[in-house]
Amino acid sequence: KAGVTQTPRYLIKTRGQQVTLSCSPISGHRSVSWYQQTPGQGLQFLFEYFSETQRNKGNFPGRFSGRQFSNSRSEMNVSTLELGDSALYLCASSSPGQGSNMNTEAFFGQGTRLTVV
Amino acid sequence: DAKTTQPPSMDCAEGRAANLPCNHSTISGNEYVYWYRQIHSQGPQYIIHGLKNNETNEMASLIITEDRKSSTLILPHATLRDTAVYYCIVRNQGGKLIFGQGTELSVKP
Repeated sequence: KAGVTQTPRYLIKTRGQQVTLSCSPISGHRSVSWYQQTPGQGLQFLFEYFSETQRNKGNFPGRFSGRQFSNSRSEMNVSTLELGDSALYLCASSSPGQGSNMNTEAFFGQGTRLTVV
Repeated sequence: DAKTTQPPSMDCAEGRAANLPCNHSTISGNEYVYWYRQIHSQGPQYIIHGLKNNETNEMASLIITEDRKSSTLILPHATLRDTAVYYCIVRNQGGKLIFGQGTELSVKP
């Protein structure tokens, strides 16, 4: 089974621009979550999508947004980029679970390394 | 989601068992304990998770105390490739993963 695929792997953008990152989850997984990792703040949760609906949201400004398509693929968008947005952006997918066990493991992609200059 | 406390770093000799502790004293009844690890600049890798009972898989064992306020991840025969940052996370059903600072494990020859 193919793992979680994130594209692109590396990206350089200029302050003020916007960027769109893509995540293809493991086949059959309907939940996709996004995380930002920086040396100073560590791994921080951005948002989670399930069946095309945002189910959870972290504490990030409105410049960070996302969406999920009917095939479970997800995109996140950052508008008006700032230098502080330079980070590794990680996507994780998980299966819906079965019966009473809704607590399933999340599998991460390799991330997109965004550099804002 | 409950908060976790882990030592910032640990060393382990190659071939020996690595025991990584985690405190989660405010864990509630429906929260699971998850362990992930991250090798430099790669995506976090799932290791194991559990609710109350001890769990074992091909990578590791998870020992959860009876009061569920702490747990230990055991890598039975650590190798150099196990050098990574290990994160202990408590998570409720379907909830988000809240990562702390983790434990940086160095496996030495």
